[in-house]
Amino acid sequence: GDSVTQMEGPVTLSEEAFLTINCTYTATGYPSLFWYVQYPGEGLQLLLKATKADDKGSNKGFEATYRKETTSFHLEKGSVQVSDSAVYFCALPSGSARQLTFGSGTQLTVLP
Amino acid sequence: GAVVSQHPSRVICKSGTSVKIECRSLDFQATTMFWYRQFPKQSLMLMATSNEGSKATYEQGVEKDKFLINHASLTLSTLTVTSAHPEDSSFYICSARSVGLQETQYFGPGTRLLVL
Repeated sequence: GDSVTQMEGPVTLSEEAFLTINCTYTATGYPSLFWYVQYPGEGLQLLLKATKADDKGSNKGFEATYRKETTSFHLEKGSVQVSDSAVYFCALPSGSARQLTFGSGTQLTVLP
Repeated sequence: GAVVSQHPSRVICKSGTSVKIECRSLDFQATTMFWYRQFPKQSLMLMATSNEGSKATYEQGVEKDKFLINHASLTLSTLTVTSAHPEDSSFYICSARSVGLQETQYFGPGTRLLVL
C-alpha cells in the first residue's frame, strides 16, 4: 500500500539555520503531495502542496519539490525562525476515499 | 484558505457520559469529512471517513457503536464518543475536503478530550 517515510526527529536548530526535513513516499501513480504543520495544542495547517511531478510548493519561506525520480518531497527553508518550531507532517492521499496517509511527523525546535 | 472549525476545543467529562464534537466547514461545502485521533507525540490515526448523507466508513479496530459519526449536511459532521472511558482521552481532529479543492484536506483545530 501507499506509505510515507519521514525523517526521524526531533530536529533542533539555531535561528537562521538551514532546514531540511526528508520525506520519501511509495504510491501507485503520481498523487498530490502535502506538507502540514502542527503547532503545539493545535490542529494541522496546510503548509504547501504539489500536485504533479517537478512542481514546487512554497509558502512562508518553505519549499518542497515533487521529484518522481527519487520519490521524494523534501521540505526546506533557508533561514528558520523560532516561530517555526512545530511538528511537520508529510502526507499523500491514498485509498478509495483518498484519505491522507501521513508520515510519522518531525518535531522541529528552533532556538534563539 | 478554507476554514474548518471544531467545537468544543476542550472537554472534560466523567466516565460513562457521552461527548459530542462538532466539525464545521465555514466557507466551503465538504463532501467528505475525516475524523482522526492523535496520541501525544504521535502521528494522526484515521478513525473514519464520512460522506454527506451516507454512513461513515470506519477504519479497522475502531468501534462504530462507540464513536458515532453523523454527516448530516455539507458543512457539519459530528463525532459522539459514547459512554466515554479514561482510555478515550485523546486529541480528536477532523478534516474536510471538497471536490473542488483537489484532494486537499483542511483540518480543524482539534478537540482535547479528558475523561475522568
